[in-house]
Amino acid sequence: GESVGLHLPTLSVQEGDNSIINCAYSNSASDYFIWYKQESGKGPQFIIDIRSNMDKRQGQRVTVLLNKTVKHLSLQIAATQPGDSAVYFCAENPMNTGFQKLVFGTGTRLLVSP
Amino acid sequence: DTEVTQTPKHLVMGMTNKKSLKCEQHMGHRAMYWYKQKAKKPPELMFVYSYEKLSINESVPSRFSPECPNSSLLNLHLHALQPEDSALYLCASSEAGVETQYFGPGTRLLVL
Repeated sequence: GESVGLHLPTLSVQEGDNSIINCAYSNSASDYFIWYKQESGKGPQFIIDIRSNMDKRQGQRVTVLLNKTVKHLSLQIAATQPGDSAVYFCAENPMNTGFQKLVFGTGTRLLVSP
Repeated sequence: DTEVTQTPKHLVMGMTNKKSLKCEQHMGHRAMYWYKQKAKKPPELMFVYSYEKLSINESVPSRFSPECPNSSLLNLHLHALQPEDSALYLCASSEAGVETQYFGPGTRLLVL
């Protein structure tokens, strides 16, 4: 079946380090991927997205990499700050479910120490 | 502006109560969503409205009743809920035909 999973449930880093959050997906038909950040007590906040015709996309301090060969997605955060501490979810849109369905991964908690 | 608002922020209700959750967006989005999120879990899709019509119901129990009165508003009517329905209820919206969904802050519901 369709599934989006994460390798590490918790990632602890020092302030200033670069963080890499990984995500594996199983549906090779997925054509759109998105990362959300969810802080405690808040709703998911859009970070960055990427389509399957791209390998890399950069935003402000964040980069998403897509490796379709091994069905792997990663979120890189440069110079991680304490404010980046949150749970990060990847999600995919499997083409065969229409544009409206996002399938979420299990989430990774990022802890940033000062 | 990518703001989706939800009211109330918190809600406590008994199993015999009737209550409603409200969601509003003014981004001109024509797709709106309800999700349920349990602690330490990802959001789970409940309902999708597209152009004010219900397009997806993920086999949600009938004690949850969605309503989309107009293109900016989405309600979730609650009746005879169970304690296991306690969760964070999230609303999201997106442009029609676009996958990127923007979430509201959620309503934290406690059913006693």
